[in-house]
Amino acid sequence: AQSVTQLDSQVPVFEEAPVELRCNYSSSVSVYLFWYVQYPNQGLQLLLKYLSGSTLVESINGFEAEFNKSQTSFHLRKPSVHISDTAEYFCAVSGAAGNKLTFGGGTRVLVKP
Amino acid sequence: KAGVTQTPRYLIKTRGQQVTLSCSPISGHRSVSWYQQTPGQGLQFLFEYFSETQRNKGNFPGRFSGRQFSNSRSEMNVSTLELGDSALYLCASSLPSDRAHSNEQFFGPGTRLTVL
Repeated sequence: AQSVTQLDSQVPVFEEAPVELRCNYSSSVSVYLFWYVQYPNQGLQLLLKYLSGSTLVESINGFEAEFNKSQTSFHLRKPSVHISDTAEYFCAVSGAAGNKLTFGGGTRVLVKP
Repeated sequence: KAGVTQTPRYLIKTRGQQVTLSCSPISGHRSVSWYQQTPGQGLQFLFEYFSETQRNKGNFPGRFSGRQFSNSRSEMNVSTLELGDSALYLCASSLPSDRAHSNEQFFGPGTRLTVL
């Protein structure tokens, strides 16, 4: 069985400040890791994913996440946030069982001007 | 290329009724997964269909069922609705791959179901 824990349910942050969203997972098998973002009244959009190779992955809009196998973590960071980054962010894992994603509880990011 | 579409976007039903939700995947995608999103339980996996066969199933009662057609479109059905079934139901599609669990899943906007 797999589980994902997002340690912060809400993160308020000022515009242009850095932000880190924490994600820890538990799994008995190798996993693939994902971060999704959900804007109000919309579905989920993939931010970035770790499948293999370099442990640091980046997205096109300035987010990055680092896979740490020893700490079973996949924290998401952005050095400078914008108002438009206000959304809910979900960390997810999948294993060998097809396309089943196990999600964390989500972290709401509120960017203040 | 059109994204994943879900119909209807909003639905209101009463307890005991049944409901059918529809999902059209991105053209060429053969895997369709369904998720339930609620404030209390978060995002939970319902089931996945690939080539008209259920490939994976989450921990939901038998009242929740689904199917996939030859054109990869999928429907999910909930019978004997309960108040707790009120949720956002999300559909996601992905390409087939030998490494199925590594595929990016593209999500639709969801169907908001309210059970009164």
